Amino acid sequence: NAGVTQTPKFRILKIGQSMTLQCTQDMNHNYMYWYRQDPGMGLKLIYYSVGAGITDKGEVPNGYNVSRSTTEDFPLRLELAAPSQTSVYFCASSVDSSNQPQHFGDGTRLSIL
Amino acid sequence: AQSVTQLDSHVSVSEGTPVLLRCNYSSSYSPSLFWYVQHPNKGLQLLLKYTSAATLVKGINGFEAEFKKSETSFHLTKPSAHMSDAAEYFCVVSGFGGGYNKLIFGAGTRLAVHP
Repeated sequence: NAGVTQTPKFRILKIGQSMTLQCTQDMNHNYMYWYRQDPGMGLKLIYYSVGAGITDKGEVPNGYNVSRSTTEDFPLRLELAAPSQTSVYFCASSVDSSNQPQHFGDGTRLSIL
Repeated sequence: AQSVTQLDSHVSVSEGTPVLLRCNYSSSYSPSLFWYVQHPNKGLQLLLKYTSAATLVKGINGFEAEFKKSETSFHLTKPSAHMSDAAEYFCVVSGFGGGYNKLIFGAGTRLAVHP
């Protein structure tokens, strides 16, 4: 039972480089989310999607882009990596917009040097 | 607007003693509340949730939480700590934000369990 799978688990980037963080879920959830977690802080929402083809900004979207071409996949793209984007990134999914819990992946630890 | 305050950033207990992790919330309507646990280098795992049914909520691994509307609190407890309980715990309030299940996270409480 895979749930939410994130790749890669770790990555080091140089300033100005770009990369895509991958997220896939096998629970047929409509809603998917990207969060970042900075040390000593709770999670902040970057982007979310309510279904294939539909995405919207969360609290901290600047410097990121997303797409949702299928129900299963929700990649997060960093176009010009900056040191402020050093963080742990979590992808999550949920059944719908009710008060059902979100299911989280194990995270991608990203360092920008 | 919703908000969550976890009153302790660090809690340290001895194995076999009770655990209390405190959480206060603010919400303009009846909220849904969750506790998640995060073990090192892992994602967040749901411990329990409150969604306006019973005020005492039982979760996994012997944890439970009591919703107290008059105190706007949702404290997490466990009668007897185990070494495997050492982790980061997040109190979370859920509300509707533009059509999605918006989660507001507390800053987290790191629980240390000593032999």
